[in-house]
Amino acid sequence: GESVGLHLPTLSVQEGDNSIINCAYSNSASDYFIWYKQESGKGPQFIIDIRSNMDKRQGQRVTVLLNKTVKHLSLQIAATQPGDSAVYFCAESAGNQFYFGTGTSLTVIP
Amino acid sequence: GAVVSQHPSWVICKSGTSVKIECRSLDFQATTMFWYRQFPKQSLMLMATSNEGSKATYEQGVEKDKFLINHASLTLSTLTVTSAHPEDSSFYICSARVSTNYGYTFGSGTRLTVV
Repeated sequence: GESVGLHLPTLSVQEGDNSIINCAYSNSASDYFIWYKQESGKGPQFIIDIRSNMDKRQGQRVTVLLNKTVKHLSLQIAATQPGDSAVYFCAESAGNQFYFGTGTSLTVIP
Repeated sequence: GAVVSQHPSWVICKSGTSVKIECRSLDFQATTMFWYRQFPKQSLMLMATSNEGSKATYEQGVEKDKFLINHASLTLSTLTVTSAHPEDSSFYICSARVSTNYGYTFGSGTRLTVV
């Protein structure tokens, strides 16, 4: 499979602060990326996606940035809330399959 | 929104027996479904791509005779773990593509424990 990895396996932030989760990917042919959130014992939940023809995409409290030059993806969560505590995965695709990164565990401190 | 229903959510079985996991797309047709496996504190590993009406495509290193995939209809894909062993204990998750612009949706996962 493809190689998708995350720089930080764990991240702790204070409630109300902004969170930034990073992801590096290795396949320069990947043209579609998704960030997922996974709570313990549950399946992944779609957060936001971005195509390779874009550098930035914003959702509700979340922003995804894509830097194709260095093959780097980031997820920014504004005003982090306790409910944001979960493991976050980036996934890349160059065709019909998705390959997931290692995951970053985000803990929000009240 | 598009929902994939996965069943069962948790199963315990004896070593040597087979277990079937079902994934159904509830309000859309899924010509392609994906099966992932996830070990504790690890990422999702793609096992196979299931195509309606044809044979599944397995990732390198995944035993097709052990992990039988059937995608007989546009709304149902099944994964059967045959002759399960304790090392098959894992979290299995299915996924389906909803549409070109809507991305992918996941089932809630099945935790398999082989004793």
